[in-house]
Amino acid sequence: DAGVIQSPRHEVTEMGQEVTLRCKPISGHNSLFWYRQTMMRGLELLIYFNNNVPIDDSGMPEDRFSAKMPNASFSTLKIQPSEPRDSAVYFCASSLYRSNTEAFFGQGTRLTVV
Amino acid sequence: QQQVKQSPQSLIVQKGGISIINCAYENTAFDYFPWYQQFPGKGPALLIAIRPDVSEKKEGRFTISFNKSAKQFSLHIMDSQPGDSATYFCAASEDSNYQLIWGAGTKLIIKP
Repeated sequence: DAGVIQSPRHEVTEMGQEVTLRCKPISGHNSLFWYRQTMMRGLELLIYFNNNVPIDDSGMPEDRFSAKMPNASFSTLKIQPSEPRDSAVYFCASSLYRSNTEAFFGQGTRLTVV
Repeated sequence: QQQVKQSPQSLIVQKGGISIINCAYENTAFDYFPWYQQFPGKGPALLIAIRPDVSEKKEGRFTISFNKSAKQFSLHIMDSQPGDSATYFCAASEDSNYQLIWGAGTKLIIKP
């Protein structure tokens, strides 16, 4: 398996623009997590899906953030409108289990909002 | 209660030495303690994990020591190599819960 695949790897956008990050989890994994990593706040869990259903989105910072998982092999994280403070590395991770046990991370999307 | 405190923030070790990173927690319900390794430009990768029914787990040069009464656990890297230079994160969770509580990370540099 190729692992968790995220795209794009890098994204530079202007403030106010819509940004969509994409994730393909490992085949057969039924849990998917979106994280944000910054120097100031470390790793933050944004949202957790289990069997394509959002279970906990309490980490999503604002209504500008939304995430979907239309099927078991694809998820998106959308920011609209984007702001400079959204600049961070966004990771997607998947797990075979309901819990975080043995979560596999993608390589991340480095987002810069100017 | 939910925090995991990790130290040191950064660590420099000579090649061949032992690297030691420590973590402490408060929530006695935690029953899963993984360590993740992250190289620049990559996502965190699970390195080794322990559950509280054992006091030590070893995988190659990497060892987790777990002290349940002190609510502390540590990562030991024996014979540290330059290729071990990375950021290491400890974490903890209740296995029945999806939520991993992360330490702040330790940037490890192994000097040749």
